Amino acid sequence: DAMVIQNPRYQVTQFGKPVTLSCSQTLNHNVMYWYQQKSSQAPKLLFHYYDKDFNNEADTPDNFQSRRPNTSFCFLDIRSPGLGDAAMYLCATSRETGGNQPQHFGDGTRLSIL
Amino acid sequence: DAKTTQPPSMDCAEGRAANLPCNHSTISGNEYVYWYRQIHSQGPQYIIHGLKNNETNEMASLIITEDRKSSTLILPHATLRDTAVYYCIVRVEWNSGGSNYKLTFGKGTLLTVNP
Repeated sequence: DAMVIQNPRYQVTQFGKPVTLSCSQTLNHNVMYWYQQKSSQAPKLLFHYYDKDFNNEADTPDNFQSRRPNTSFCFLDIRSPGLGDAAMYLCATSRETGGNQPQHFGDGTRLSIL
Repeated sequence: DAKTTQPPSMDCAEGRAANLPCNHSTISGNEYVYWYRQIHSQGPQYIIHGLKNNETNEMASLIITEDRKSSTLILPHATLRDTAVYYCIVRVEWNSGGSNYKLTFGKGTLLTVNP
């Protein structure tokens, strides 16, 4: 059974039109992460939440924001998507942030920009 | 986190053991070795991790050398569904800078299992 669920699997939006990607988890983990993976590249962390505390990576563009209304759900908002934002967006969770805590990933949402 | 070096690609015959090497010669004493894999168009899948001792689970075995400078992931009986990119990642247990939450992915090894 899927434990980290991302919807939709495929999302198409227009250049400059805001889009929201969603992630839910059944693991009751404290930490939720958003990664961006462009074609033929490795995943790159955008930000993470530890409970309600938001932690942004220094090089994450301002265009990307996130919300975590409760333990189970986390959203990625892209305010004005550009062509360079076309990518797979991956959500992951872990119980804690320590190095001995595996992260568990969803299957991602592939975002296309027209 | 220590950097890792993996071969870009490997082949394995179906039913045989797949042995994927990883070099992490600058690893520190409190850094874990993690293995993930990513099948095309899916999210990364956690396989196994270890600190010093060899580890085994239902998916694979992890062999870490005594000096901890390299490790090998072993898939005992590879199937076609094991074809994927395999990532070896080193993660610090904890640090004051707070970056221990990160998974820093390298280029990984593309394992192709052939019939």
